[in-house]
Amino acid sequence: QFLLTQPPSASGTPGQRVTISCSGSYSNIGTNTVSWYLQLPGTAPEFVIHTNDDRPSGVPDRFSASKSGTSASLAISGLRSEDEGDYYCASWDDSLNNWVFGGGTKLTVL
Amino acid sequence: QLQLQVSGPGLVKPSETLSLTCTVSGGSISSFYYWAWIRQAPGKGLEWIGSIFDTGTTHDNPSLRSRVTISVDTANNQFSLKLDSVTVADTAVYYCARQPGGSWYDWFDPWGQGTLVTVAS
Repeated sequence: QFLLTQPPSASGTPGQRVTISCSGSYSNIGTNTVSWYLQLPGTAPEFVIHTNDDRPSGVPDRFSASKSGTSASLAISGLRSEDEGDYYCASWDDSLNNWVFGGGTKLTVL
Repeated sequence: QLQLQVSGPGLVKPSETLSLTCTVSGGSISSFYYWAWIRQAPGKGLEWIGSIFDTGTTHDNPSLRSRVTISVDTANNQFSLKLDSVTVADTAVYYCARQPGGSWYDWFDPWGQGTLVTVAS
């Protein structure tokens, strides 16, 4: 299936902090940066952040990214309704010479 | 603000060639970035197809390499995708994107709006 493993769903209430995990292997997350994308229904994915903590100017600093070993995480603090959507992690894989993606995590703001 | 726009036929017959073009506006394609094609089959995950530098250097998904040709037209600020011998498994939304880090293994930002290509007779 997907070479990066994400939970299929996550949820939180407004103002809460939510974390989405992404598990891979040494040849991808263990070696390369991990980038995160948000996809709303019927639209293209949008870059959110990568594990060097680099984010576009329009993405608030409520979003942070980190990695440890072969796992990465996206954290969203001060959760807001507009944060809802499908979040994907991605990384280059040195062994496969290919990009690998997670299966996506549907974030719901309750 | 950089924008990418995908154009091309929405319907391709099996065994024929899928051809798409990504037009870059709001910036030059000759900016020492890689430019990528990514697709997403209906209800499925994302799949990288390949990336091209403005000099024409390409890097492709090994599983698609034998069927993929990616080219760049700097004069018209465009890059293109050709996928040969398509089957129904190639039905997907096709996106183009910039890789702003200077390498084909850097992140994708921004993305074009995507276009659905259906392979059917």
